[in-house]
Amino acid sequence: GQNIDQPTEMTATEGAIVQINCTYQTSGFNGLFWYQQHAGEAPTFLSYNVLDGLEEKGRFSSFLSRSKGYSYLLLKELQMKDSASYLCAVRDGDYKLSFGAGTTVTVRA
Amino acid sequence: DTGVSQNPRHKITKRGQNVTFRCDPISEHNRLYWYRQTLGQGPEFLTYFQNEAQLEKSRLLSDRFSAERPKGSFSTLEIQRTEQGDSAMYLCASSLSHPGRSYNSPLHFGNGTRLTVT
Repeated sequence: GQNIDQPTEMTATEGAIVQINCTYQTSGFNGLFWYQQHAGEAPTFLSYNVLDGLEEKGRFSSFLSRSKGYSYLLLKELQMKDSASYLCAVRDGDYKLSFGAGTTVTVRA
Repeated sequence: DTGVSQNPRHKITKRGQNVTFRCDPISEHNRLYWYRQTLGQGPEFLTYFQNEAQLEKSRLLSDRFSAERPKGSFSTLEIQRTEQGDSAMYLCASSLSHPGRSYNSPLHFGNGTRLTVT
């Protein structure tokens, strides 16, 4: 089976940085994805890592260490609109993703 | 780009009734997925189609659940004899696979159908 762990909740101040960690134990590995999901809305794709290292996309960066089964999503210059659930997902085969339970980030003024 | 479209957005039904949901994927996407999500949890995989072929069904998908994708375009998910435990958000997603390059294709999700079984 798949085991994907991430913290349940995090709180940060507007303008600050937050790092959301994700650890995984899966039967295979063909990439790690991060999604953002606002309440009542669809998950939207943020980033993808398949090789070790850091991928940067504007205010969001994602890091992967395959040997440690570890990833993080870094959100910089937090804005109120970043308040959402952030989902870590692993593709262990050719197609489907297995998701963690999500981390709810609350940004305070 | 109209994105992934799901209908209806909300469905309230009584226990024991049958319900059917529809998903229209992004038009050029050949892969289609159904997931289920409950409050405070991530999406759980239910089933997957490559074009019109249903290639995988999760053990979560009991025999009361059936999904189809005729002609490899839209898909339907039917739940027969609904139970209160079926109450959840049902998400559809699609993606595009290229031979030898399927690994980095993200899933694009619709807004889901929220089912409430009373």
